[in-house]
Amino acid sequence: QAVVTQESSLSVSPGGTVTLTCGLSSGSVSTSHFPSWYQQTPGQPPRPLMFTTNSRSSGVPDRFSGSILGNKAALTVTGAQTEDESDYYCVLHLGSGISVFGGGTKLTVL
Amino acid sequence: QVTLRESGPALVRPTQTLTLTCTFSGFSLTTRGMSLNWVRQPPGKALEWLARIDWEDDKYYTSSLRPRVTVSTDTSKNQVVLTLTSMQPADTATYYCARIRSGGYTAEAFDVWGQGTLVTVSS
Repeated sequence: QAVVTQESSLSVSPGGTVTLTCGLSSGSVSTSHFPSWYQQTPGQPPRPLMFTTNSRSSGVPDRFSGSILGNKAALTVTGAQTEDESDYYCVLHLGSGISVFGGGTKLTVL
Repeated sequence: QVTLRESGPALVRPTQTLTLTCTFSGFSLTTRGMSLNWVRQPPGKALEWLARIDWEDDKYYTSSLRPRVTVSTDTSKNQVVLTLTSMQPADTATYYCARIRSGGYTAEAFDVWGQGTLVTVSS
């Protein structure tokens, strides 16, 4: 089964911009993988952030945006806030009902 | 309002079989495009997709757990059941159920999650 890769950790200054990426060991990520992104804080279930590459979930601030950058899916936070400090996971749909999570990125805002 | 709630034992002995139930409301699993999935997260580690059952009763599993894992549904009770055999300490995790609605802007994304249930495997 393919491996989905994410940066293990990233940091950004408050008000800064950071891009998290989501790659695929077996090749390029495309919109056909329906990339989605989730935010998770300790003790809580994941919160959906982004669907189908770039559609924000209800209530998600517009400082979060999704895209395909090169051969990866990307989540960009523009104007990061301290409350954005969380773990972020991407998921790719590989077809035949199979979904795979990335290993997660721990985002620090300081 | 769509809700998902996981239930099951908090403690399982090694080699035993785990049975977890996801009770859902606010939608029908027989609606075209609907599926319910199981996802787990060991303490301090990443999320892992385990299994999916869809509106046509088709079932899909992660290769890493086949053939230990099975998923089934009782649509009359609005429940989906996960069974995981031969439990080991490495299976200690919080187990979540999560919905996918294929089609539309949420396609293939987990748009609703339960709160999760922690299962510890220990003798």
